[in-house]
Amino acid sequence: DILMTQSPSTLSASVGDRVIITCRASQDITTYLAWYQQKPGKAPKLLIYRASSLESGVPSRFSGSGSGTDFTLTISSLQPDDFATYYCQQYNSYSASFGPGTTLQIK
Amino acid sequence: QVQLQESGPGLVRPSETLSLTCSVSGGSTTDNYWSWIRQPPGKTLEWIGYVHSTGYTRYNPSFKSRPTMSIDTPTGLLTLRLTSVTAADTAVYYCAKGRQSDWLPMDSWGQGTLVAVSS
Repeated sequence: DILMTQSPSTLSASVGDRVIITCRASQDITTYLAWYQQKPGKAPKLLIYRASSLESGVPSRFSGSGSGTDFTLTISSLQPDDFATYYCQQYNSYSASFGPGTTLQIK
Repeated sequence: QVQLQESGPGLVRPSETLSLTCSVSGGSTTDNYWSWIRQPPGKTLEWIGYVHSTGYTRYNPSFKSRPTMSIDTPTGLLTLRLTSVTAADTAVYYCAKGRQSDWLPMDSWGQGTLVAVSS
């Protein structure tokens, strides 16, 4: 099984800040990584696929990078709507797995 | 834009079988992968498996042989059955569509349905 880790688990930031969330895979997943945003009581929303491709309709302040085992999600300038929990997901193997999540809180 | 809606019993007894359906509207189920994902309260997401519009299935090995997924393409109805449930199966269950013709990632999700396993 491919295990996914994320850091930090919680992040406090202010509107306008640039934030970076890190995701690491236990083995090489090339670029088969996605990022989702989830708000309380809601389904996840796809932000990034294939590590760096922006899903249609997602604001350009979101960007993804990385390959192999190390990946990042960057929000260039936080907006009030961005405070949520973010999950990475690998889909390189027979099965898929999610990271534990990073909760972005208002400072 | 395709829409998905899960439905099923909110409470299942331990050792029984959990059965959920997902209704797909606003688009065809053809040539797509349809996944089931769950999220225990306060925890991360867990991919259970997918069913393709052809009926082909793939399951997360961590579920052993417990899940069964099916699809009725003409009616746009997906079904998940999970046998021998325990309290650890208490979760919000989502159905979701694979992006374009890929199995992952998922680009459209249902709102989710909470299933509690309790006697």
